[in-house]
Parts: sequence; C-alpha cells; structure tokens
Amino acid sequence: EADIYQTPRYLVIGTGKKITLECSQTMGHDKMYWYQQDPGMELHLIHYSYGVNSTEKGDLSSESTVSRIRTEHFPLTLESARPSHTSQYLCASSDQGMSQSQYFGPGTRLTVT
Amino acid sequence: QKEVEQDPGPLSVPEGAIVSLNCTYSNSAFQYFMWYRQYSRKGPELLMYTYSSGNKEDGRFTAQVDKSSKYISLFIRDSQPSDSATYLCAMSAGGFKTIFGAGTRLFVKA
Repeated sequence: EADIYQTPRYLVIGTGKKITLECSQTMGHDKMYWYQQDPGMELHLIHYSYGVNSTEKGDLSSESTVSRIRTEHFPLTLESARPSHTSQYLCASSDQGMSQSQYFGPGTRLTVT
Repeated sequence: QKEVEQDPGPLSVPEGAIVSLNCTYSNSAFQYFMWYRQYSRKGPELLMYTYSSGNKEDGRFTAQVDKSSKYISLFIRDSQPSDSATYLCAMSAGGFKTIFGAGTRLFVKA
C-alpha cells in the first residue's frame, strides 16, 4: 500500500541528546518536506528535497539537518535537542507533476525536557 | 501581516448543517489552492485541490476560489460528526513553497 510513514510517533528526550526522526514513503515521490507545527499555528517548512542528494532549508530557521540518500527516505536529525525544539514534526511528499498536492505522514510529537 | 488568514474557530454546528470555512490571502501570485483536513494526532489529509479561480465539487465538499477578492471557501453539505476536525487552507504560487493557514477547528454535534 502506498503510504508515508514516520517514526517514532512520540518521543520524550532530555536536553543535549542527538535524535533522528525517520520518514519513509512508498509512493515513489521525488519531492519531500519537513514541517514544524505548533498547536493553533501554521505549518512552517523547515527542509525540503527535490530528489536524491538534493536538500534545501525552508523558511523557518532550524538547527536540524536532513539527508536524502534514497528516494523513499528523508530523515531529520537534531544534533543537540533543546526545549525550544518541542513541537510536532510532519513529513510530506509530492510528485513532480502535482507538487502542490502533498501527502503527509502521521507526525512525530517531540518533547525535550 | 500574515500571507494567509484563517479564522481559528472553534466552529460548532449541528449534524446536517452546511458548514462554510474561509481563508483570505494577500499574495496575488497564488495560483494553487488546497484544503486539508487534520484529525487530532494525525497528519493533514488533502481534501480539495483547485487551480486558479472557480468552483470544484467532490461529494459533500465544494471549494470556491475568488481571486479578485483574494478569498477562498470550503463548503461542507450535510455535515457529519466524522467531519469534526481542523481544516487547513493552503496556497502556492508554484514551486516548493506552500503557505498554510493556521486552521479552523470544526465540531459537528450529533
């Protein structure tokens, strides 16, 4: 079944820890995105990728990094988590022809203590 | 000023009501207009996609775009309790960048 997956769904971690949020899609989409969403607020784009070995920063300043070594996989890494990183992280993908139609994963809710 | 404004609600309606959800925007370059539905603890799900102006209907859902007024709407007919969710409008001028509204919370009471 074509889908987009995120793990873990929930993560509570201490300040200073390194974490990686996983995102995989089975739809063969070239474009992938990471958004940050806080309650009652807009989604903010933090990273995007047009394809393998292509990554760009979005509008929201972020201390995270991403990689795109395989089409289906787009992990996000925080080298040193801080309480300000507490948020919901959403991964999305879209194909080249209909890039405005994005398919979202279920999200990872991150809490940094 | 935000590029996209959306009333956060909450909007509470009885089952069977017609629901009207709206967004205004300031960027005249927007050509693609989307509505997403987001249930609690889930990611957004694409409901409607419209290019440029006009209406689009899909079952109980109708999306309208008025580019002259920079105003888009989503109508839900015969609303059901299962429609209770947060509805996000989204817009793009093309390319990678999509601007999302903050979402309107909708409650449909049985």
